[in-house]
Amino acid sequence: DAGVTQSPTHLIKTRGQQVTLRCSPKSGHDTVSWYQQALGQGPQFIFQYYEEEERQRGNFPDRFSGHQFPNYSSELNVNALWLGDSALYLCASSLFSGLAGGLREQFFGPGTRLTVL
Amino acid sequence: LAKTTQPISMDSYEGQEVNITCSHNNIATNDYITWYQQFPSQGPRFIIQGYKTKVTNEVASLFIPADRKSSTLSLPRVSLSDTAVYYCLVGLLTGGGNKLTFGTGTQLKVEL
Repeated sequence: DAGVTQSPTHLIKTRGQQVTLRCSPKSGHDTVSWYQQALGQGPQFIFQYYEEEERQRGNFPDRFSGHQFPNYSSELNVNALWLGDSALYLCASSLFSGLAGGLREQFFGPGTRLTVL
Repeated sequence: LAKTTQPISMDSYEGQEVNITCSHNNIATNDYITWYQQFPSQGPRFIIQGYKTKVTNEVASLFIPADRKSSTLSLPRVSLSDTAVYYCLVGLLTGGGNKLTFGTGTQLKVEL
């Protein structure tokens, strides 16, 4: 049973460019959340997708957008990249708990290391 | 969301018990306490979760006093492979969905 997978592993972009990161959730999971982790900091919540819709959003500008596909996989898009976007981008999957309640355990992928020059 | 405070770093030796304490003074009634572990260049990994008193699993114990304003993660007989960052999180039991709020964590270094 594959866990959460992310691609690519590493990525180098220049300022102003756009980037797309991809995530496949753990088998059986229907919810994908994205986090940004700067060096030396804890992960920061970007947004969460369930049933192909954005359900929650953290304090990130609308340059950060996402998508979830019918097979539950997800993409994170970042437009107009700037140096401060350099970070490890983590995808986490879980079962949706918005209706039933409960803080569900999240399974994280290995991340995509994005470097903006 | 409840804010958490943890020590920035801790050092230990192999075979010792390590206790990491987290302060969360404004924890809400519906909040659970969860601990994650993260190795370099990897995503965080769930360790343990609790609401009150004591919870134990195969890797750790979580002690929560009656007022729930703090919690202590206990790692028995640590090894070199336990060197990692440990995050204490406090989150909603209901209606909060799956959003996790991480602090800066505690860097645990285990030596021989």
